Amino acid sequence: GAVVSQHPSRVICKSGTSVKIECRSLDFQATTMFWYRQFPKKSLMLMATSNEGSKATYEQGVEKDKFLINHASLTLSTLTVTSAHPEDSSFYICSARELGGLETQYFGPGTRLLVL
Amino acid sequence: SQKIEQNSEALNIQEGKTATLTCNYTNYSPAYLQWYRQDPGRGPVFLLLIRENEKEKRKERLKVTFDTTLKQSLFHITASQPADSATYLCALEGHYQLIWGAGTKLIIKP
Repeated sequence: GAVVSQHPSRVICKSGTSVKIECRSLDFQATTMFWYRQFPKKSLMLMATSNEGSKATYEQGVEKDKFLINHASLTLSTLTVTSAHPEDSSFYICSARELGGLETQYFGPGTRLLVL
Repeated sequence: SQKIEQNSEALNIQEGKTATLTCNYTNYSPAYLQWYRQDPGRGPVFLLLIRENEKEKRKERLKVTFDTTLKQSLFHITASQPADSATYLCALEGHYQLIWGAGTKLIIKP
């Protein structure tokens, strides 16, 4: 149980284009999903917390107009990187917390984004 | 603010031995602490959670301790195997989110 999927697993795009990443909880309902960014050999950096049916809460320094988050249902959250630039290239990981759960986060496999 | 320190240098352990990883925090003692495993190019996988009132927790070959006086958690893998090679992340309960360490890379040599 507690499986989270992410799609796509890898994406290469041209500078200036937008990229959408999907995060789905497959066998549980997630009221809260988290979006992280991770650079090589670095810690997970929380970008935003996404609650179903409400606006996402962004961490300091994360541009909400650049990283659009939508959490339309209890099993799906999307992150759209708008007008992507090479510096947006990174490993993006989502996680989900079960409905009623307060502690453990279940992570997706991650999405490797490369902006040329 | 809360900071987490994990040894940034890779830990090399001979197969069959016990591997011990350290997680130190600097500020308040969290209500709970978690350990995750992360393989290259993959998302973290939850391993164990230990609460502040628990001294030790075990799961198969894994053992976690939590010392609120030392502000430290130790993560042990007994009878280590090459398949245990990965980066292990420590995470503490923060304000409605987890605070993450940078992880320690563990290499089990056959």
